[in-house]
Amino acid sequence: AQSVTQPDIHITVSEGASLELRCNYSYGATPYLFWYVQSPGQGLQLLLKYFSGDTLVQGIKGFEAEFKRSQSSFNLRKPSVHWSDAAEYFCAVGARTGGFKTIFGAGTRLFVKA
Amino acid sequence: GAVVSQHPSWVICKSGTSVKIECRSLDFQATTMFWYRQFPKQSLMLMATSNEGSKATYEQGVEKDKFLINHASLTLSTLTVTSAHPEDSSFYICSAPQRSRVETEAFFGQGTRLTVV
Repeated sequence: AQSVTQPDIHITVSEGASLELRCNYSYGATPYLFWYVQSPGQGLQLLLKYFSGDTLVQGIKGFEAEFKRSQSSFNLRKPSVHWSDAAEYFCAVGARTGGFKTIFGAGTRLFVKA
Repeated sequence: GAVVSQHPSWVICKSGTSVKIECRSLDFQATTMFWYRQFPKQSLMLMATSNEGSKATYEQGVEKDKFLINHASLTLSTLTVTSAHPEDSSFYICSAPQRSRVETEAFFGQGTRLTVV
């Protein structure tokens, strides 16, 4: 069965420091992988996606993620965090079967301290 | 990217009444749409798969008689929460996949916050 694991429930980072959010997935084939961000009371915003090709994916707002098949991981990174990055981050897998439903991880809440 | 519109963005209803939420794909056709529910401080959980012209497929533990799904056209799916109770208060989000020659991507609506009082 497909699943997504985000091992960190919350992370606190100082403004200007680097960030890495972890994501591991379980999927029988090459997955479609996504990172979404959600501010309180808001909908989802797509940060980046991986379908195939270059395993280092660039997204919006200075985020990037690297697909590592051997580790079944798709970690999200940002070199310098801004206070406005504080939000909930969801890693997700797009299942190619069943009409392309999306399976979400539990989410990681990012806190940014001044 | 493609646009999926959800309406209403928020709704407050009395306990025991029914509420309908619409999900529209504005610039593409979607034979399949998905409905998710998100409780406060939790992740998004798939409730059901909406299939155009046929019955919806519900995830385990989701009451099909309580959450009625209708996918009458290629651009519209509706979720009706029947006899709503306070425990149904949640954030509901729909998504619709768009397939291109190269890839498939799911586009999400902006969500509907339901409060049952």
